[in-house]
Amino acid sequence: QQQVKQSPQSLIVQKGGISIINCAYENTAFDYFPWYQQFPGKGPALLIAIRPDVSEKKEGRFTISFNKSAKQFSLHIMDSQPGDSATYFCAASNTQAGTALIFGKGTTLSVSS
Amino acid sequence: NAGVTQTPKFQVLKTGQSMTLQCAQDMNHEYMSWYRQDPGMGLRLIHYSVGAGITDQGEVPNGYNVSRSTTEDFPLRLLSAAPSQTSVYFCASSSLPGSLGEQPQHFGDGTRLSIL
Repeated sequence: QQQVKQSPQSLIVQKGGISIINCAYENTAFDYFPWYQQFPGKGPALLIAIRPDVSEKKEGRFTISFNKSAKQFSLHIMDSQPGDSATYFCAASNTQAGTALIFGKGTTLSVSS
Repeated sequence: NAGVTQTPKFQVLKTGQSMTLQCAQDMNHEYMSWYRQDPGMGLRLIHYSVGAGITDQGEVPNGYNVSRSTTEDFPLRLLSAAPSQTSVYFCASSSLPGSLGEQPQHFGDGTRLSIL
């Protein structure tokens, strides 16, 4: 059973457009929801994270929207740039129980210029 | 600080061989974990550790062993390599969840392993 489901698998967006990646989770005990960005040949790096007590978090052009009742969260990249082309992973963990992060399968984003 | 260092960066093995992937961190993090990344499969947790002497299994532990004798090091051992273990392996570390419950993971740059 996949605990964190991510979609779409790949995404092509024009420069200046909005990129949207969605994730859904099963375990209601999850209390930490980060997004990671990975460039080719590198390890993933934390991009932005949210906890379930807020519905939205914004850092620059990146925004997480969180819907606790639907058990869904999404990443929005505003004014997408070619440098944003990367693979994005959503993840979730139960920090109270000390569990490791469970990742979605990833979304490959290509921003065309 | 070097962060999370993984060695080797590339390795080719023959079926049945054993080897150890090394992971070291210099941030005094309690949590360390190993993931494998395969096309279309995302990052799948192999084993993790919440401190020296404590390890636990993740989603795909079969064929792998770990130990945590020090805070800094968390090696991953392939007991008898199989072609299905061809993958990119990532080690990650983090501190215990902070007051905000955040647990940012720091990843190494991976070990690319091919098993013939």
